[in-house]
Amino acid sequence: DQQVKQNSPSLSVQEGRISILNCDYTNSMFDYFLWYKKYPAEGPTFLISISSIKDKNEDGRFTVFLNKSAKHLSLHIVPSQPGDSAVYFCAAEDQGGKLIFGQGTELSVKP
Amino acid sequence: DTGVSQDPRHKITKRGQNVTFRCDPISEHNRLYWYRQTLGQGPEFLTYFQNEAQLEKSRLLSDRFSAERPKGSFSTLEIQRTEQGDSAMYLCASSSWLRGNEKLFFGSGTQLSVL
Repeated sequence: DQQVKQNSPSLSVQEGRISILNCDYTNSMFDYFLWYKKYPAEGPTFLISISSIKDKNEDGRFTVFLNKSAKHLSLHIVPSQPGDSAVYFCAAEDQGGKLIFGQGTELSVKP
Repeated sequence: DTGVSQDPRHKITKRGQNVTFRCDPISEHNRLYWYRQTLGQGPEFLTYFQNEAQLEKSRLLSDRFSAERPKGSFSTLEIQRTEQGDSAMYLCASSSWLRGNEKLFFGSGTQLSVL
């Protein structure tokens, strides 16, 4: 039972354009969401988070949007840079505090 | 802040052997988590500790897996009688848990290959 889903395994974007990564969840009790970025042979690193009391959180080039009624969140990267090429994981915090991750989306930003 | 440290980075073993991994969390963090990741999948929760108490263990975790955090600092994850299906990246993470909405800090992982 996949509670957090990222339905696009990969995304290719031109440098300077917007990257939009999507994530869906099934459990309406989730109220805190995070995005992590992962390079090969390294552990995931925290990127940005959002609480369910907000519908948007922004940090530099990164913005996360939350649509609670649709149980959907998205990560926008503007402008995209080649160094952004990595695997991006969406995660939701459950009631016990552990994170439940999606399958990941591999972003490739081409110069 | 020296970050989360995992040892070894890589482990190759033969099927049926036992392996043990170590994780040193960020020093002031009270929670420690173990995850497993295979190619094309997201990190999958295995177990976690708050201080020295193991609070939850995944139902997917077989009896061959055991984890300890004896003094509430470092943790070990042991896999007995390894199988080829155990081949994966084993990730450790820590956090400073108060009441939720805390981010996890991950180590670089231990890549296990079972031949």
